[in-house]
Amino acid sequence: KAGVTQTPRYLIKTRGQQVTLSCSPISGHRSVSWYQQTPGQGLQFLFEYFSETQRNKGNFPGRFSGRQFSNSRSEMNVSTLELGDSALYLCASSLGAGMSMNTEAFFGQGTRLTVV
Amino acid sequence: AQSVTQLDSQVPVFEEAPVELRCNYSSSVSVYLFWYVQYPNQGLQLLLKYLSGSTLVESINGFEAEFNKSQTSFHLRKPSVHISDTAEYFCAVSASGGSYIPTFGRGTSLIVHP
Repeated sequence: KAGVTQTPRYLIKTRGQQVTLSCSPISGHRSVSWYQQTPGQGLQFLFEYFSETQRNKGNFPGRFSGRQFSNSRSEMNVSTLELGDSALYLCASSLGAGMSMNTEAFFGQGTRLTVV
Repeated sequence: AQSVTQLDSQVPVFEEAPVELRCNYSSSVSVYLFWYVQYPNQGLQLLLKYLSGSTLVESINGFEAEFNKSQTSFHLRKPSVHISDTAEYFCAVSASGGSYIPTFGRGTSLIVHP
């Protein structure tokens, strides 16, 4: 079956702009989580959605937001982009809600966002 | 809250040599532990996980990790590495009950030389 699909793979934006990233989970998976990966901070949890509801949120400013649709597809939005937002944004899907529910998280290849 | 420390940012090793990637964690509650691998330009793939039961867990490609509660460690080992094992390895922890926010280590770059 198809894996987790993230679009676009690469993106270049200017400071102050906003951006929307998309994630299509594996068919049947209802949980989608987002992570930011940077060389300096490593992998940091942004938020998790399960059945269209945000269940958990990491320690990121309100400029970072997301949503999940009824077909489990998810979007992440970052407004007023800053240079420090340049990162690889990873999406992961799982059957249940989170690692603690004994379900494996499958990651997409990520969207590489560069803010100039 | 949990934290994860991967003690080595980079581990160079020759092909067919054994390797150990170290991971220590801290948490005030019981945890689940994971190792993920990330190949260049790819997302993360689950390598193995400890949820409960036997403290020694194995992956299908020869890696194993042992949960040591007293030392709060979950080190990853392989007795003989291949060139294809070159990748970034991440240790992760999440609380075993209630709401969770997974915490990842900074990653260890395993570089296998011929």
